[in-house]
Amino acid sequence: EVQIVESGGGLVEPGGSLRLSCSASGFPFATYTMSWVRQAPGKGLEWISSMTNSGSSIFYADSVKGRFTISRDNAKNSLFLHMNSLRDDDSAVYYCARELQFYFDNWGQGTLVTVSS
Amino acid sequence: QSVVTQPPAASGTPGQRVSISCSGGYSNIGSHSVSWYQQLPGTAPKLLIYSNYQVTGGVPDRFSGSKSGTSASLAISGLQSEDEADYYCAAWDDSLNVYVFGTGTKVTVL
Repeated sequence: EVQIVESGGGLVEPGGSLRLSCSASGFPFATYTMSWVRQAPGKGLEWISSMTNSGSSIFYADSVKGRFTISRDNAKNSLFLHMNSLRDDDSAVYYCARELQFYFDNWGQGTLVTVSS
Repeated sequence: QSVVTQPPAASGTPGQRVSISCSGGYSNIGSHSVSWYQQLPGTAPKLLIYSNYQVTGGVPDRFSGSKSGTSASLAISGLQSEDEADYYCAAWDDSLNVYVFGTGTKVTVL
């Protein structure tokens, strides 16, 4: 059974940093592109970043480019999101999702990030 | 502001057919396949439809998807109370080099 579990969310002050982790199991993690999608409170879904299986291709939404960095450790079946220079509008539930050919077939339960002073 | 738009709300009585539109442009829906996601209250999104009309395993066959040009549509036939949720379409956008999600549609079962 595919399982995806995010962790690392919490309360951080504006300008601060946070690292989110995504632990995957039940599938050959090293062969899949993985992504992060977020959802601000009461708002819709926003894709923010994807990384191909080998890490050779990385994509970011303009809203996070230059501030967020996606990475992965295939030996540990883990995906990460390093978030710097956090702003109030980065407050959201962050989901980790497995990506197939232009769609996201499995999602984690999400981790909440709150940016506030 | 998303480049892919959906009506904010749709509703129907149990047993009715409800259709949700997803309108984009040539660089996204016009060039790439569309997927649809259901988000029940307080839960993570769940894939319903991929590659425009393929239904994910385990999803009831009352859900169906279609695409024509730069628009797509999700239909729920035989609406049930457990279908009350938010629904999102999504597609890759060649011009922006990003995935774009639609603005979302809240389906209410009356």
